[in-house]
This record gives sequence, C-alpha cells and structure tokens, in this order.
Amino acid sequence: EAGVVQSPRYKIIEKKQPVAFWCNPISGHNTLYWYLQNLGQGPELLIRYENEEAVDDSQLPKDRFSAERLKGVDSTLKIQPAELGDSAVYLCASSLDNTGELFFGEGSRLTVL
Amino acid sequence: GNSVTQMEGPVTLSEEAFLTINCTYTATGYPSLFWYVQYPGEGLQLLLKATKADDKGSNKGFEATYRKETTSFHLEKGSVQVSDSAVYFCALSPYNNNDMRFGAGTRLTVKP
Repeated sequence: EAGVVQSPRYKIIEKKQPVAFWCNPISGHNTLYWYLQNLGQGPELLIRYENEEAVDDSQLPKDRFSAERLKGVDSTLKIQPAELGDSAVYLCASSLDNTGELFFGEGSRLTVL
Repeated sequence: GNSVTQMEGPVTLSEEAFLTINCTYTATGYPSLFWYVQYPGEGLQLLLKATKADDKGSNKGFEATYRKETTSFHLEKGSVQVSDSAVYFCALSPYNNNDMRFGAGTRLTVKP
C-alpha cells in the first residue's frame, strides 16, 4: 500500500514569491493534516480536514496561507507571498479513524531566501 | 489547552545503555498518548501508544506507561542499539478526537 506522498520534497524560492505543496494521503483515510516543523521543533498543526471540511484551521496564518482539499482526497497548501520566516518543513499526514495513528509523508522542505 | 512537554535533548548513550525520555502532558479529560519516532531521512512514524490510564504501550523493545496520577508517559528501553538513533516525539490527542499535538522532540544518538 502506498504511503502519504508529498511534493515537492525541496523548494527554494525568494521572499514574496508564491509556493504550493501537494499531498496525496493514503487511500481511504478521511482525516488529513498539514503540520509545520521548524528545525529542532515538533510538528505544529496548521490545518486538519475531515473529508473535505476544514475542522481546525485556527493555527493557519490566513493572511498568507491557504489550503484546500477538493473531493476529500488530495490537498494543496499554498503560501503567498512567502516570508523568510516560512522556511521550514511542511508535513502532511493522514489517518483512518480516531485511534490516533497518523501516517506521515516525508515532508516538503521550504527555503525562502 | 492540550499540550505535552518532553525532556530536552540531545541524549547520547552508549550501545546497550538504559534509555529514559521523560514526557508529561496537560489535557482535559482522558487523552490518548503516543510516542512517534523520526529516523534520519524518514517521515514520522508511530512507535507506541496507550489509550487509558495504566495502559502500557510497547514496540521494538520500547515501553511507556500511561500514568494519570503524574500526567506522564515516559519512554524507556532497557538496552539501546545504534539503530535506535532518531528523534522521538511525545504526542497526545483528546479522547475520540483526531486533534494530535506533539512535543518538541528529543534527539537520541547511540554510539557503538
């Protein structure tokens, strides 16, 4: 069974440019998460979807970040415009039920110059 | 709100040494508790979990016991190996809820 797939793995952009990250969760997993992980820190939740509904986006900086999960499957996280402080790893995860086992992708590492 | 606090690293041990990584939590109700591990170059993966007080989660020689009275979920292993070198994250989610929150992570390095 394929795991959670994220792309791109690495992205280098200049500040004020836009960037988008894509996530394909494990087939059948209803819950999808986007986390931000700064160097040496734990993952911090940005947004959580149950199917196509964003049920928790309280930590998403909505002035520059947006996300969507059309048809309740793939998801895209966008930053526009990017700032230097956005340099981090963006993690996508999915889960099937409420047992708490999240399956993570390898992450998308963003560097903003 | 819900949160976890775990022991700061890095932790460096010799092979076959005993490992403890402390984790305490703050939560309302009865959360489920987890340890996730991130090996070099890989994504996070679930190591073990416990869903109620006094439960012990175990996997790959690692153990952690859900202690409600001390709000703790310390990770232990009796004899670490070089292959256990990784970053370990304590996490919690409220009962029957997918709102997973992570600690800052503890980097473990095991030397031969």
